[in-house]
Amino acid sequence: NAGVMQNPRHLVRRRGQEARLRCSPMKGHSHVYWYRQLPEEGLKFMVYLQKENIIDESGMPKERFSAEFPKEGPSILRIQQVVRGDSAAYFCASSPERGVSYEQYFGPGTRLTVT
Amino acid sequence: QQPVQSPQAVILREGEDAVINCSSSKALYSVHWYRQKHGEAPVFLMILLKGGEQKGHEKISASFNEKKQQSSLYLTASQLSYSGTYFCGTAAGNTPLVFGKGTRLSVIA
Repeated sequence: NAGVMQNPRHLVRRRGQEARLRCSPMKGHSHVYWYRQLPEEGLKFMVYLQKENIIDESGMPKERFSAEFPKEGPSILRIQQVVRGDSAAYFCASSPERGVSYEQYFGPGTRLTVT
Repeated sequence: QQPVQSPQAVILREGEDAVINCSSSKALYSVHWYRQKHGEAPVFLMILLKGGEQKGHEKISASFNEKKQQSSLYLTASQLSYSGTYFCGTAAGNTPLVFGKGTRLSVIA
């Protein structure tokens, strides 16, 4: 049973470019969470999605960031016009059910470097 | 509000025990524990729900004290493979998890 998959694992972008991060949840999971992690810091919640719906985006910056989880295909976190401060590891996690009563399984992360 | 983890770092010799605490200023509904090795994904350890229950997984167990708004992770007879950073994630209700800054555990031979 394949785990959560993320690609690319490493992404380098120049300032002003767009970054697209992909996440395929575990088989049978329809709930996806995106987190950002800075070095030596904990994980910071960004957005929670179900298929075709954004459930909670309270942790996502209002500008330049967007997320989607289409009916078919992976969840995508999109960062437009990247800045150096966007450099971080971005993890997605999937869960079998809605809510914090259920475990979340993390993917290997995408390490974004903005030059 | 971000939970506070203590200690920030700990060094153990193989076979020693450790306790990692996670405290919140809010009434907690659930606490999740994860271990992350450098450059890797966080790995789920266990989840505790409101009710003061205790859970165990081999030599790793955890408790949840509702009244104190605190959870503790217990590692017994530590092994080299236990090294990593341990994070707790807390939720006051059906809200997103808020993670602590982590406790770095190093087990040496």
